Amino acid sequence: DQQVKQNSPSLSVQEGRISILNCDYTNSMFDYFLWYKKYPAEGPTFLISISSIKDKNEDGRFTVFLNKSAKHLSLHIVPSQPGDSAVYFCAAASGSARQLTFGSGTQLTVLP
Amino acid sequence: NAGVMQNPRHLVRRRGQEARLRCSPVKGHSHVYWYRQLPEEGLKFMVYLQKENIIDESGMPKERFSAEFPKEGPSILRIQQVVRGDSAAYFCASSARGGATDTQYFGPGTRLTVL
Repeated sequence: DQQVKQNSPSLSVQEGRISILNCDYTNSMFDYFLWYKKYPAEGPTFLISISSIKDKNEDGRFTVFLNKSAKHLSLHIVPSQPGDSAVYFCAAASGSARQLTFGSGTQLTVLP
Repeated sequence: NAGVMQNPRHLVRRRGQEARLRCSPVKGHSHVYWYRQLPEEGLKFMVYLQKENIIDESGMPKERFSAEFPKEGPSILRIQQVVRGDSAAYFCASSARGGATDTQYFGPGTRLTVL
């Protein structure tokens, strides 16, 4: 039972363009969402988060959008850079549980 | 940069042996989480510990797996009598306060291979 889904296993984008990574969730108890980036043979690195009381959070080139009614969030990277090439994981948490529930990841490749 | 440290980075065991994975959290963090990542999958929560206490072990297999976070020293994830299905990357994360919105910082992981 996948409570957090990333339906696109891979995405290729040209350098300088926008990358949009999508994530859907089914558990309505989730109220905090995060994006992590992961390079091969390394641990996930925290990128950006959003609380369910907001619909947008921005940090430099990274913006996360949350649509609670659709149970959908997305990560926008503008402009995309070759160093952004990595696996991106969406994760969710609820106020009552500290554990993070992860999606299966999307491999982003930014082409020079 | 005293981030989360995990050792060993790679561990090879034969079926039936024991595996011990160590995690030193970020300095000052007293909350530790263990996750497992199987090939081609996302990370799956296993256990959440504070110093000397297991808070949530709902993701831990009922047999062969145990975890501890003693007052002094690293957190240990112990797998007894390993089987091939235990082969995975095991990640430890730590946070300062343990709240659901408290960012978890991950270590580089231990890649366990069971022959």
